[in-house]
Amino acid sequence: GENVEQHPSTLSVQEGDSAVIKCTYSDSASNYFPWYKQELGKGPQLIIDIRSNVGEKKDQRIAVTLNKTAKHFSLHITETQPEDSAVYFCAASGYNFNKFYFGSGTKLNVKP
Amino acid sequence: DARVTQTPRHKVTEMGQEVTMRCQPILGHNTVFWYRQTMMQGLELLAYFRNRAPLDDSGMPKDRFSAEMPDATLATLKIQPSEPRDSAVYFCASGLGTLYSNQPQHFGDGTRLSIL
Repeated sequence: GENVEQHPSTLSVQEGDSAVIKCTYSDSASNYFPWYKQELGKGPQLIIDIRSNVGEKKDQRIAVTLNKTAKHFSLHITETQPEDSAVYFCAASGYNFNKFYFGSGTKLNVKP
Repeated sequence: DARVTQTPRHKVTEMGQEVTMRCQPILGHNTVFWYRQTMMQGLELLAYFRNRAPLDDSGMPKDRFSAEMPDATLATLKIQPSEPRDSAVYFCASGLGTLYSNQPQHFGDGTRLSIL
C-alpha cells in the first residue's frame, strides 16, 4: 500500500518568514495530493490540493509543488502570520474511492 | 457552507461502558470515513464506507469496535466495552469518491472521548 512520510515534525519560524513542509509518497499510482490544516480543537480543514497533471498550484500565500518523478510534494507558506500556527497534514490518494494516506503531521509555530 | 456534524463533541465515561459516536455526512457525499487521533498525532483510519457499504475496516479492533451506516444521513461508531486506551479524538469525514476520481474529504470537528 501507499506510504506517506512528512518532514519536519515541528517547524518554528518568525512572523513574515517562509515555511516549507515536505512529503514523499511511495505509490506511483497516487494522483491526488491534498493538504490540511488542523487548529486546536478542530477537525482538519483542506487548504490546498494538487493533482498529478499539475506541477504547481498557488492560492495567495500558499503554494504546493509536485515532483512526480521523485515522488515528493511540498507546501510553501510565504509571509507567515501567527494565525498560520497549526498542525499541517499532507495526504496522497489514487484510484481507490477517495481513501487518503496521511502523513504524520507538522506542527508549525509562527512567532510574533 | 455544508459541514460534517459529529455528536457528541465530548464524552467522558467509565471503563466497560458502551460508547456511541454519530456522524452526519454532507448531503450527497457517498464516502464516509472514521479516523482516530491521539495527542494531536497522526490520523489513523479505522473504517470507511462507500454508498453505505463498508469498504475497509481493517484499522478497527473488531472485538470491541463496530461501524455502521443505518442510512445515508447517519454513520455510527460504537465501542463496547470501552477501555482507557480508547481515549482519543474520533473524526468523521465525508467525500465524493469514485474509482477514478478523488475529491477532498471534509472533516467534522470530532468527538473527544475520555475513558476513565
